[in-house]
Amino acid sequence: NAGVTQTPKFQVLKTGQSMTLQCAQDMNHNSMYWYRQDPGMGLRLIYYSASEGTTDKGEVPNGYNVSRLNKREFSLRLESAAPSQTSVYFCASEGNTIYFGEGSWLTVV
Amino acid sequence: LAKTTQPISMDSYEGQEVNITCSHNNIATNDYITWYQQFPSQGPRFIIQGYKTKVTNEVASLFIPADRKSSTLSLPRVSLSDTAVYYCLFSGGYNKLIFGAGTRLAVHP
Repeated sequence: NAGVTQTPKFQVLKTGQSMTLQCAQDMNHNSMYWYRQDPGMGLRLIYYSASEGTTDKGEVPNGYNVSRLNKREFSLRLESAAPSQTSVYFCASEGNTIYFGEGSWLTVV
Repeated sequence: LAKTTQPISMDSYEGQEVNITCSHNNIATNDYITWYQQFPSQGPRFIIQGYKTKVTNEVASLFIPADRKSSTLSLPRVSLSDTAVYYCLFSGGYNKLIFGAGTRLAVHP
């Protein structure tokens, strides 16, 4: 996927642990997004950022925090992971169309 | 939040034309309609985007009536590799990028 890089690709956490998913884009886009996708379901918006320094809640923000410190990077943090947060997480940035990262598979045990 | 409505699933056979319709009653003036395709374990990828009337590219056509409250994605002569989930959503305007549940298309031999 052109221009959007997510790390890590796979992660296993214990309940209560914290972690940060990193996302970076090199297309100079203003808007960036974090989604989660549970098995067999559609994507649900967690948080989005319309520009550097601004963030807003999406459909399912509880249990997550985000940070948009610069135009290029938008990180998603789980402060105290729960098994319900086991999911695939996609970062995206918006130019003329939306570009998605390859996804981060997170398992919370 | 902007919402779209699509059929949950569709079945087709190789070589047939497939039309998937999406309803979006609360589309805003600045919104474009965009369709995405998603294969298992991958992020969604852009198919086609339009504002009104008809748009065609090398893989699909998009029909949007004058009132813009719905849109139809047309896939000509589908093949087995078109089996995927298809999403429509608004982009480019003031709505957050909210994905619906998508349409699961199964193409059979």
